[in-house]
Amino acid sequence: GENVEQHPSTLSVQEGDSAVIKCTYSDSASNYFPWYKQELGKRPQLIIDIRSNVGEKKDQRIAVTLNKTAKHFSLHITETQPEDSAVYFCAASKGSASKIIFGSGTRLSIRP
Amino acid sequence: KAGVTQTPRYLIKTRGQQVTLSCSPISGHRSVSWYQQTPGQGLQFLFEYFSETQRNKGNFPGRFSGRQFSNSRSEMNVSTLELGDSALYLCASMVGTGGKNEQFFGPGTRLTVL
Repeated sequence: GENVEQHPSTLSVQEGDSAVIKCTYSDSASNYFPWYKQELGKRPQLIIDIRSNVGEKKDQRIAVTLNKTAKHFSLHITETQPEDSAVYFCAASKGSASKIIFGSGTRLSIRP
Repeated sequence: KAGVTQTPRYLIKTRGQQVTLSCSPISGHRSVSWYQQTPGQGLQFLFEYFSETQRNKGNFPGRFSGRQFSNSRSEMNVSTLELGDSALYLCASMVGTGGKNEQFFGPGTRLTVL
C-alpha cells in the first residue's frame, strides 16, 4: 500500500545553520506533497506544499524540492532560528479525493 | 473564518467503555479526516468522510467508526476501549474537491483510557 518514509527521526542543528529533512513515497501516482510543523502541545500546521508539476518551491527561509523519478522530496530550512524547533511531518496524496499519508515525523531541535 | 474545532478537548475513560468525539470543519469544507497520534506512531489515518459518505479508510479495527452530518460536522466513535487507544485524536478538514486538498487540523481530543 501507500507508504511515506521520513528521515531523520531527530535532528539537532546550530542556530543559523541549515536543516534538511528527507522523505520518500511509494505510490508513483502521488501528486501533492505537504509539509506540516507541529509545535509542542499544538496542532499540526501546513507550512509549505508542492505539487508534482513543479520541482521546487520556496517561501522565505523554507523550500521544498521534489524528484518524481526517485519518488523523493525534501524540506530545507535555512538560517534556522529557535522558533523552528518542532516536529515536522511530510505527507503525500494522490489528489483531493484521496487520503493523505504522513511520514513518521522529524523532531528538529535548534541549539543556541 | 473560524478554524476547525473539536470537542471535548480531554477525555478520561476506562477499559470497555465507548467514546464519541466531535469535529466541526471550516465553513465550506466538505471533507473531514480523522487521525490517531501517539508518541511512537506519528499520525495514523483512521478514515475520511466527504458529503456524509466514508470516502477513504485506514487500517484500524471495526471498533473505530465515524459518521458525517449534512452540515459536514463529523463524529468518531470508539467502542470497547482498550488501554492502547490512549492517544491524541486529530481531525482535519479540507474542501475535498477540485484539487484543493490542503488540510487544516483541529486542536485534537486527548483520550486517556484507564
